[in-house]
Amino acid sequence: GAVVSQHPSWVICKSGTSVKIECRSLDFQATTMFWYRQFPKQSLMLMATSNEGSKATYEQGVEKDKFLINHASLTLSTLTVTSAHPEDSSFYICSALMEQETQYFGPGTRLLVL
Amino acid sequence: KQEVTQIPAALSVPEGENLVLNCSFTDSAIYNLQWFRQDPGKGLTSLLLIQSSQREQTSGRLNASLDKSSGRSTLYIAASQPGDSATYLCAACNQAGTALIFGKGTTLSVSS
Repeated sequence: GAVVSQHPSWVICKSGTSVKIECRSLDFQATTMFWYRQFPKQSLMLMATSNEGSKATYEQGVEKDKFLINHASLTLSTLTVTSAHPEDSSFYICSALMEQETQYFGPGTRLLVL
Repeated sequence: KQEVTQIPAALSVPEGENLVLNCSFTDSAIYNLQWFRQDPGKGLTSLLLIQSSQREQTSGRLNASLDKSSGRSTLYIAASQPGDSATYLCAACNQAGTALIFGKGTTLSVSS
């Protein structure tokens, strides 16, 4: 089946630093990727929709200047958490849409901001 | 706005029992519905996907049903095993190519 990777899988950083998370579709092209966030004991919540070659669409309540998304190629989308704070600590999961039909999920990135 | 609810939030059963996990959604005009498994600290494993035109899907000991008119889906696990212990997430897709809307999950514990 289709494979989506995320890097890094774990990151611990100091408050105020920026963290970049990569999401790659390894064996298919994805014009659309989604970024979700999951807080402990909570469900996955959509943060933004990433479209190759255009600006991302953010969900209500998600700060676009804080969570920068770049979908520069058909196999790569990046999420940068700028000036991270402890409340940004969460599990970030991306998914890539194959043939505009099926979503394949990455393994997730756990972010801990101290 | 689509909302997905899963009941119960947690479930403990002895090994060998058959069990049912419930998922309800508020907007019946869904494109498909998917069940996932999530192990602690891990990503998602897709279990079953039911298209809106389908009533059920089966994979091994798992059977998922879909009743759009009542806004419900169930995941049936036969002969549960300790290895089935995980959180099970239900997610609805309203239109092709759009993001999934997840429930909060049911955390299953199967004791040996």
